[in-house]
Amino acid sequence: DQQVKQNSPSLSVQEGRISILNCDYTNSMFDYFLWYKKYPAEGPTFLISISSIKDKNEDGRFTVFLNKSAKHLSLHIVPSQPGDSAVYFCAALNTGFQKLVFGTGTRLLVSP
Amino acid sequence: KAGVTQTPRYLIKTRGQQVTLSCSPISGHRSVSWYQQTPGQGLQFLFEYFSETQRNKGNFPGRFSGRQFSNSRSEMNVSTLELGDSALYLCASSLALTGELFFGEGSRLTVL
Repeated sequence: DQQVKQNSPSLSVQEGRISILNCDYTNSMFDYFLWYKKYPAEGPTFLISISSIKDKNEDGRFTVFLNKSAKHLSLHIVPSQPGDSAVYFCAALNTGFQKLVFGTGTRLLVSP
Repeated sequence: KAGVTQTPRYLIKTRGQQVTLSCSPISGHRSVSWYQQTPGQGLQFLFEYFSETQRNKGNFPGRFSGRQFSNSRSEMNVSTLELGDSALYLCASSLALTGELFFGEGSRLTVL
């Protein structure tokens, strides 16, 4: 049972354009959501997070949007840069259960 | 500040053998989580330890076990290895399981 789903395994975007990565979840008990970025041969690194009491969080070129009614969140990267090319994992947490659930990842390729 | 250190980085085992992986968390971090990453499955939660106690366990068979020592270092063990256990095993630490995990580079296990 995949509680966190990233339905697009890959995404290709041109440099300077917007990248939008999507994530859906099924468990309404999740109250904290995160995005991680992973380069080959490295562990994932934390990118940005959002609490369920918010619908938007922004950090530089990265913005995460949360739509609780649709159980959907998205990560916007503007403008996209070639160095953003990586696998992006969406993750959700029920802080009461202390268990982080990851999606399957989306591979982003930003071409010059 | 030193990051999360995992050893060994790469190892090759044969079916039926057992393996022990080690993780040294960031100094001061008391929560250590383990994840399995395989193509198409994303990061699957194995277990999480806090102050030497296993607080959470994922849906993996009993062949997968772990422990945490008083200095917060953690080990995970996989017995009676199967071909499907070939994966990247990632360890992550945090002050508390708030979701903002710091990952090591992983131990890549190949089972032949």
